[in-house]
Amino acid sequence: DGGITQSPKYLFRKEGQNVTLSCEQNLNHDAMYWYRQDPGQGLRLIYYSQIVNDFQKGDIAEGYSVSREKKESFPLTVTSAQKNPTAFYLCASNRGSSGNTIYFGEGSWLTVV
Amino acid sequence: ILNVEQSPQSLHVQEGDSTNFTCSFPSSNFYALHWYRWETAKSPEALFVMTLNGDEKKKGRISATLNTKEGYSYLYIKGSQPEDSATYLCASKGGDNNDMRFGAGTRLTVKP
Repeated sequence: DGGITQSPKYLFRKEGQNVTLSCEQNLNHDAMYWYRQDPGQGLRLIYYSQIVNDFQKGDIAEGYSVSREKKESFPLTVTSAQKNPTAFYLCASNRGSSGNTIYFGEGSWLTVV
Repeated sequence: ILNVEQSPQSLHVQEGDSTNFTCSFPSSNFYALHWYRWETAKSPEALFVMTLNGDEKKKGRISATLNTKEGYSYLYIKGSQPEDSATYLCASKGGDNNDMRFGAGTRLTVKP
């Protein structure tokens, strides 16, 4: 079945460590996105990529890094520079054309302990 | 309006009630408005994508309208059922780039 797979679903990280969240899609979508959700807030855009080997910062990119070496994959690294990394992270993709529906993964919960 | 805003933040209704909620978005350089339904422990699921002023979309008991000139969209649910309980997100896309701006969502609870 086509879709977006995020892993891991739950992750605990010690303060000061980097961690990478995986996002894979088999929908042949050009554009991919990473969002963060905190309690009581909407989805905030961290990074997005419209095409392989290209990506742009979203509203809250500080402390995060991404890569887009393959069309199917858009991993997000939460670095030790991210001050408040504990959150729910959603990966998404769409065909990249204006107005196209975004498809989401099931999300990853990151807790810093 | 610089951000996408949704109201109310949460809503409790009885089964059978009809309800509606609002999404406000920047009207300048507007390109598309999306509605998503997000059930707990699942991925957000697309309901509607609207682009033209005056658009109306319907899916079963759920419908939506769009006013791009004043920057708002309404989502209506007729005869709410417990399975309609979810968070309803709206997102606005501008014409210059491909990023979507989401509202904080309206959390709907339908009591049997």
